Amino acid sequence: KNEVEQSPQNLTAQEGEFITINCSYSVGISALHWLQQHPGGGIVSLFMLSSGKKKHGRLIATINIQEKHSSLHITASHPRDSAVYICAVSMGTGNQFYFGTGTSLTVIP
Amino acid sequence: NAGVTQTPKFQVLKTGQSMTLQCAQDMNHEYMSWYRQDPGMGLRLIHYSVGAGITDQGEVPNGYNVSRSTTEDFPLRLLSAAPSQTSVYFCASSYSGGQGVGSPLHFGNGTRLTVT
Repeated sequence: KNEVEQSPQNLTAQEGEFITINCSYSVGISALHWLQQHPGGGIVSLFMLSSGKKKHGRLIATINIQEKHSSLHITASHPRDSAVYICAVSMGTGNQFYFGTGTSLTVIP
Repeated sequence: NAGVTQTPKFQVLKTGQSMTLQCAQDMNHEYMSWYRQDPGMGLRLIHYSVGAGITDQGEVPNGYNVSRSTTEDFPLRLLSAAPSQTSVYFCASSYSGGQGVGSPLHFGNGTRLTVT
């Protein structure tokens, strides 16, 4: 069973488009993380949130605790945004993380 | 400030061989963890540690050992490698695991392991 489900699995967009990636989870969580994995393989943390909304540059992450759902939005997408975006949740004491399978985003110039 | 340093980047083992994947962080993080990443699956937690001398199993611990003798280092040992352990391995650390605000995970660059 997957505690974390992401959609879509793959996404192709034209440069400048507004992009939304969705994440649903099935149990109570301590926090939700959005990660970015570039083609070279390295993984960086974009956001960690437990309520509301966070913004960093062109990236916005929101979470609805009641609906067990989070979204990652990218405004004015750019080819350098091409990467795999991964949703992860920590549960209980917060020491065990569960990851979605990722959304592969390609932004075409 | 190097962050999380993971070595080696690539490794090929024969079935039955042993090896240690090294992970070190210089951010004084209490929480450290090991994951494996396989095609079509999300990252899966192998083992984690919430401080020196404390380790615990994650979702897929079989075939792997860990220890945490210092805050900085968290090596992952494969005692007898099997082809099923072919994967990409990531080490990650954070200030307090998943708890609290402002404790993002910091990842190493990964180790691509092939067991033949």
